[in-house]
Amino acid sequence: GAGVSQSPSNKVTEKGKDVELRCDPISGHTALYWYRQSLGQGLEFLIYFQGNSAPDKSGLPSDRFSAERTGGSVSTLTIQRTQQEDSAVYLCASSFRDRGSHEQFFGPGTRLTVL
Amino acid sequence: GQQVMQIPQYQHVQEGEDFTTYCNSSTTLSNIQWYKQRPGGHPVFLIQLVKSGEVKKQKRLTFQFGEAKKNSSLHITATQTTDVGTYFCAGYGGSQGNLIFGKGTKLSVKP
Repeated sequence: GAGVSQSPSNKVTEKGKDVELRCDPISGHTALYWYRQSLGQGLEFLIYFQGNSAPDKSGLPSDRFSAERTGGSVSTLTIQRTQQEDSAVYLCASSFRDRGSHEQFFGPGTRLTVL
Repeated sequence: GQQVMQIPQYQHVQEGEDFTTYCNSSTTLSNIQWYKQRPGGHPVFLIQLVKSGEVKKQKRLTFQFGEAKKNSSLHITATQTTDVGTYFCAGYGGSQGNLIFGKGTKLSVKP
């Protein structure tokens, strides 16, 4: 595709429910990142995938958060037993190789609201 | 751990005035990137600086990377309403670390 796509664009859920957020990176980009952005705040790093290497999960805030990347392309971020403090915009980005030496292309984000 | 501080948090200017945002890292950076996020939008890459003392210009925007590679600035000359948004710096320390984003400077421009 032309850019990074994410779905759904908006998700409203009840506290305690599980949610899955999807990211389709730009074709050919081997690096994929998930960030969380709370209202009016900066970008909080969650997890990073690079090719077939083990993901860097150092930014995941709790064990309720997990992510997978299948076939080196599509990624799914799963939040189990959602809490109200999980409400935020979840942004996915991809880049051509490397962690920090290439620009990151961001998707439009998924706005998650936990009631 | 590595931290990237960005100031000011907010800046309100009259159209035509200049604007500057500053970024400081607690450690030496391999490179620094700048992104712009329009209201309701997602971050969009503006530029990357790699060399010590590097200065790059994009029309009315001037980006600088400090000699010690620990600080950077973005200066906008004669702001326009289209410059409205949040400007983020993001520093990369290298050695398989992560790109660390500053908290951003939110710019509003009064016509």
